[in-house]
Amino acid sequence: QKEVEQDPGPLSVPEGAIVSLNCTYSNSAFQYFMWYRQYSRKGPELLMYTYSSGNKEDGRFTAQVDKSSKYISLFIRDSQPSDSATYLCAMTIGNQFYFGTGTSLTVIP
Amino acid sequence: DADVTQTPRNRITKTGKRIMLECSQTKGHDRMYWYRQDPGLGLRLIYYSFDVKDINKGEISDGYSVSRQAQAKFSLSLESAIPNQTALYFCATSERASVNTGELFFGEGSRLTVL
Repeated sequence: QKEVEQDPGPLSVPEGAIVSLNCTYSNSAFQYFMWYRQYSRKGPELLMYTYSSGNKEDGRFTAQVDKSSKYISLFIRDSQPSDSATYLCAMTIGNQFYFGTGTSLTVIP
Repeated sequence: DADVTQTPRNRITKTGKRIMLECSQTKGHDRMYWYRQDPGLGLRLIYYSFDVKDINKGEISDGYSVSRQAQAKFSLSLESAIPNQTALYFCATSERASVNTGELFFGEGSRLTVL
């Protein structure tokens, strides 16, 4: 069993929809939780990070962490075609990063 | 110019050939990493280096070697390439403290095909 599980999708939604992306994890020692966005033919870029349970909002994006359930989510409101990308969750223990496999999202105009 | 530059961007080679992927960075970061990305498997760490004299194996180091020639340069070698090393390879950098923010800075990737 992988330490970080992520549904690979693909996920296809109409423009303006609310998108929910999720990851589960097994190791309660994970300290920090991140979402990376990767456009086609590009490297991943950090989108959001958090370390505590609860919600963190940045514009149309909300990152949610539930440590008791070992579950993290990324919500995208009013999704745009420019949000079409692969989204990877990631977590850290000490200096080590652990990545999910990524969810491919397409927002249809 | 990109902060993390990988060369070559694309390479096709044959089984048994020696291949080197190079990475250079202008961010001034101490830490550098090599990952490979495969469909359904995500990003997996091959090697990482926290400074010029520090080299560490990652999750999947077998069949690979690295060299940290300078703070800004970190190269990945496949001594004898095999087809299951066909993948997209990423170099990444980070600051010492950025484990708290999860800030890894990735290059644009090197797509390697081994025939």
